Amino acid sequence: GAVVSQHPSRVICKSGTSVKIECRSLDFQATTMFWYRQFPKQSLMLMATSNEGSKATYEQGVEKDKFLINHASLTLSTLTVTSAHPEDSSFYICSARGDSSRDSPLHFGNGTRLTVT
Amino acid sequence: GENVEQHPSTLSVQEGDSAVIKCTYSDSASNYFPWYKQELGKRPQLIIDIRSNVGEKKDQRIAVTLNKTAKHFSLHITETQPEDSAVYFCAASIRIYFGSGTKLNVKP
Repeated sequence: GAVVSQHPSRVICKSGTSVKIECRSLDFQATTMFWYRQFPKQSLMLMATSNEGSKATYEQGVEKDKFLINHASLTLSTLTVTSAHPEDSSFYICSARGDSSRDSPLHFGNGTRLTVT
Repeated sequence: GENVEQHPSTLSVQEGDSAVIKCTYSDSASNYFPWYKQELGKRPQLIIDIRSNVGEKKDQRIAVTLNKTAKHFSLHITETQPEDSAVYFCAASIRIYFGSGTKLNVKP
């Protein structure tokens, strides 16, 4: 149980275009999902907390207009990288808790490797 | 937010030896501490977790200890095997802030 599906797994786009990444909880409902960014050989950096039916909570230093998050249903959160630039190239990964309790483990999607040319 | 520090950044051990990775955290309100294992290019996988009402938890070759007073927790892997080679992350708090990671290399 508690499977999180993330698409696409890889995407290459041109500078200036926008890219949407989807994160779905397949067998459970997730009122909260988390978006992370990971650079090579580095840790997962929390970008934002996605809340179903309300605005996302962004971490300090993350541009909300650059990284648009929409959590329109209990099973889907999307991250849109707007006007992408080469420095946005990274590994983006979403996660969700299997239940609503605050001390339950996170289940991760497979991640999306974004390359901006 | 929470500040999680992890040491060491790289750890090399001989097969069969033990490995210990340590983390400290800053927010005394944190009450959940998971450990994740990430292989190259793959998603993090939960290997063990501990809650603040417990001081130690063990699962076969893996154990985690928690000292809430000192705000640190540790991962212990005994009888290491080559397949244990990966990057390990500790995490803390409600929104799960990760440590910087430890690359474990188990030499056969």
